[in-house]
Amino acid sequence: QKEVEQDPGPLSVPEGAIVSLNCTYSNSAFQYFMWYRQYSRKGPELLMYTYSSGNKEDGRFTAQVDKSSKYISLFIRDSQPSDSATYLCAMRPVFGGTSYGKLTFGQGTILTVHP
Amino acid sequence: EAGVTQFPSHSVIEKGQTVTLRCDPISGHDNLYWYRRVMGKEIKFLLHFVKESKQDESGMPNNRFLAERTGGTYSTLKVQPAELEDSGVYFCASSQDKGGGTDTQYFGPGTRLTVL
Repeated sequence: QKEVEQDPGPLSVPEGAIVSLNCTYSNSAFQYFMWYRQYSRKGPELLMYTYSSGNKEDGRFTAQVDKSSKYISLFIRDSQPSDSATYLCAMRPVFGGTSYGKLTFGQGTILTVHP
Repeated sequence: EAGVTQFPSHSVIEKGQTVTLRCDPISGHDNLYWYRRVMGKEIKFLLHFVKESKQDESGMPNNRFLAERTGGTYSTLKVQPAELEDSGVYFCASSQDKGGGTDTQYFGPGTRLTVL
């Protein structure tokens, strides 16, 4: 079983739609949760960063973490064609009070926003 | 400020040959990571340098892979001899802080390795 599960899609939505992207995980040690965006032939770029449970909003993007359900989400409001990319969730563990740098990624969801 | 750079962008080699990938992190970043994405799979961690020391190499698949970071600046990842299953995109990332917590990793564009 993978530590992080993410539906690879692809997901296709019309411009202006609300997009919901999700990941589930199995490792209780994950405490830091990230969403990366990756355009074709580029490296992943950090989009949102959340520590432990709760919500975080940044412009059109909202990240949610529910540690009790081991479930994280990214919402994109008023989606634009420029949002078309692969979205990757990533997580980082804490063991014995020490945070480690290693990231564990989901498979990524391919999103297309069409005009 | 220049981002993380990787060289080459694409490499095609025959099974059994040797390939060396290079990563230049953002200047001043002590932490350097290598990750790999095999087709159809998720990006997977390979190893983590803090300056010139290997902090965590738990993701290195086998002893055909050798990573170095002499002088704590750029890093190389050598695959010798290459096998078909080594094909994929190799990403390098660097970060400034302690390498954990809210420390942000900045990724390079990747090296696409094809082993025939």
